[in-house]
Amino acid sequence: QKEVEQNSGPLSVPEGAIASLNCTYSDRGSQSFFWYRQYSGKSPELIMSIYSNGDKEDGRFTAQLNKASQYVSLLIRDSQPSDSATYLCAVNRLAFGKGNQVVVIP
Amino acid sequence: SQTIHQWPATLVQPVGSPLSLECTVEGTSNPNLYWYRQAAGRGLQLLFYSVGIGQISSEVPQNLSASRPQDRQFILSSKKLLLSDSGFYLCAWGLLGGYNEQFFGPGTRLTVL
Repeated sequence: QKEVEQNSGPLSVPEGAIASLNCTYSDRGSQSFFWYRQYSGKSPELIMSIYSNGDKEDGRFTAQLNKASQYVSLLIRDSQPSDSATYLCAVNRLAFGKGNQVVVIP
Repeated sequence: SQTIHQWPATLVQPVGSPLSLECTVEGTSNPNLYWYRQAAGRGLQLLFYSVGIGQISSEVPQNLSASRPQDRQFILSSKKLLLSDSGFYLCAWGLLGGYNEQFFGPGTRLTVL
């Protein structure tokens, strides 16, 4: 089993809708969780970090963590074309998922 | 504020040639430093990480090596490049003892022909 899994294929959402991304992890003792955004041809950029169960909101982004079920999700509200990117989930310091591509359709 | 630099931005090298990529961080001391490779359409592969000068941990055995000659300098090298070494090389830094956030440099796109 891979440490961090992002299984969904490319996600297309209309402008203004909510984009929902999910990530599962295998290490039950994991303590820190991150979402990075990567535009095509660019390096990843940290957009959210979460350390305790529940929701954390930052602008249009909400990260949700459920340690019992070992998943972390990212919601993007009021999606904009500028949100079109690949989103990487990371757990602890060294484990990254392969990413999910989001395409926001105007 | 902290800044991370990588150079060169792009590089085209023949198979069998040597490689040296450099990464420097400004505005922080004693950072954790990381080298990743991202092949086309694939996820991030951790290559090396360092918690201090001269301290290098290798995650993947291969023809690459890393060195940290100064606190805020991290170098990725190879004596002989392979075709499979092509990819997007990313350097990142994180706070020593922090919550494990990492901040990435702009990357070097390497093409081995």
